[in-house]
Amino acid sequence: GAVVSQHPSWVICKSGTSVKIECRSLDFQATTMFWYRQFPKQSLMLMATSNEGSKATYEQGVEKDKFLINHASLTLSTLTVTSAHPEDSSFYICSAFRTSGSSEQYFGPGTRLTVT
Amino acid sequence: AQSVTQLDSQVPVFEEAPVELRCNYSSSVSVYLFWYVQYPNQGLQLLLKYLSGSTLVKGINGFEAEFNKSQTSFHLRKPSVHISDTAEYFCAVSDKGGGADGLTFGKGTHLIIQP
Repeated sequence: GAVVSQHPSWVICKSGTSVKIECRSLDFQATTMFWYRQFPKQSLMLMATSNEGSKATYEQGVEKDKFLINHASLTLSTLTVTSAHPEDSSFYICSAFRTSGSSEQYFGPGTRLTVT
Repeated sequence: AQSVTQLDSQVPVFEEAPVELRCNYSSSVSVYLFWYVQYPNQGLQLLLKYLSGSTLVKGINGFEAEFNKSQTSFHLRKPSVHISDTAEYFCAVSDKGGGADGLTFGKGTHLIIQP
C-alpha cells in the first residue's frame, strides 16, 4: 500500500504556456502533500506544502503566482506551472503524508518538465 | 534553519563489501532524520528513520544508521552490498516527527556497486 502517482511522468511545453501536474495518493488519504523540485545532480528542494481545503504554504523564494497549487481533495493535489520558461525545466516530485498506520511521507515517481 | 551535508557525491564499492554513506546535519531544534533511496526512474523510498529512542536504527534491505548527536551525524551502513543496491541515496531532516513537515534533503550520494 501507500502508493503515490504523478501524471504526466514527462511533459514538454513551449515557453509561455502553462502545464498542470497531478499528484494522487492511490490507496490512502492525505491531508498534506508536498511539492519538491530537483535539478540534475542536485538535492530535492521543498517548494510548497499543500493542505486539503486551504491555501498552500510556499517556501521562501518560490513564486506563488507562477506555481499554482490546488489540493481539492484528500487524494489529489495539482501543481500548475504558469507562463513556463526554460528555467522552469526541472524534475518535480510530490509526496503525500499518511497519518494512519506508518506515518510518513510517500513520494511519487516525479514529473520531468522540459520547456522549449 | 536546518541543513544536511552528504560528504560524498559518489561512492564506488565492490559487491559484497561493506559501505558507509555519510550524512551530517545542522538544526537548532529537535531533529528527526531519514534516509531515502531513489532507484532510476522511480520515486524516493524510505530506508529508515530516526525519531527517538535507540540511536541505532535498522531499516529495509539490510541497511542501518546510527544517530550521533554529539557529532551531528546520521551515517548509513550496510555490511555487504549487492548489485541491486546501486542507486541514489538521500539523507533528510525534519523538525517535526514522522515527516509531517517538508523535508530538507542533502544533495545525495550515488552508490555504485562494482562486480
